[in-house]
Amino acid sequence: GAVVSQHPSRVICKSGTSVKIECRSLDFQATTMFWYRQFPKQSLMLMATSNEGSKATYEQGVEKDKFLINHASLTLSTLTVTSAHPEDSSFYICSAGGTNTGELFFGEGSRLTVL
Amino acid sequence: DAKTTQPTSMDCAEGRAANLPCNHSTISGNEYVYWYRQIHSQGPQYIIHGLKNNETNEMASLIITEDRKSSTLILPHATLRDTAVYYCIVRVVGTGNQFYFGTGTSLTVIP
Repeated sequence: GAVVSQHPSRVICKSGTSVKIECRSLDFQATTMFWYRQFPKQSLMLMATSNEGSKATYEQGVEKDKFLINHASLTLSTLTVTSAHPEDSSFYICSAGGTNTGELFFGEGSRLTVL
Repeated sequence: DAKTTQPTSMDCAEGRAANLPCNHSTISGNEYVYWYRQIHSQGPQYIIHGLKNNETNEMASLIITEDRKSSTLILPHATLRDTAVYYCIVRVVGTGNQFYFGTGTSLTVIP
């Protein structure tokens, strides 16, 4: 089946620094990718929809200047957490959709810890 | 926003069928029902989806009521590895259409 890969799987950074997370669709092209955030013992929360070649669409309450999304190619979307703070520590998950069957494929997730 | 309601948690004996219910009373005619599961600290895994007919694959069966206001995911012979959080999602098919997750059901398979 289709595969979505994320990198890095774990990252620890100091407060105030920026962190980039990559999401790749390995065997299909994705004009749209989605970014989610998940806090412990909670469900996945959709942060934004990443559109290839255009600006991302952010969900209400998500700061677009804080979470920068770039979707420069049909197989790569990146999420940059700028000036990270401890409250940004979370599990970040990306996903992309197959064109024929409608299901969404998810990456393995990236756990961010901000010290 | 999520349009589904699921029980918070369920237990199932190993080897027995696990039946996970989902209510989606406001589902639209062009929305499909999807089921995913998430094992701790991993990305969600696709299980099955359907529109109005019952569906079966190697992992599970999906039973959708005739009025489409509810559905049941059936794991025919639950194993310990099926312990996970199961999410029921309704969505219009289309690569640009978002998936909104509800709270899901935490299924524990008991030896």
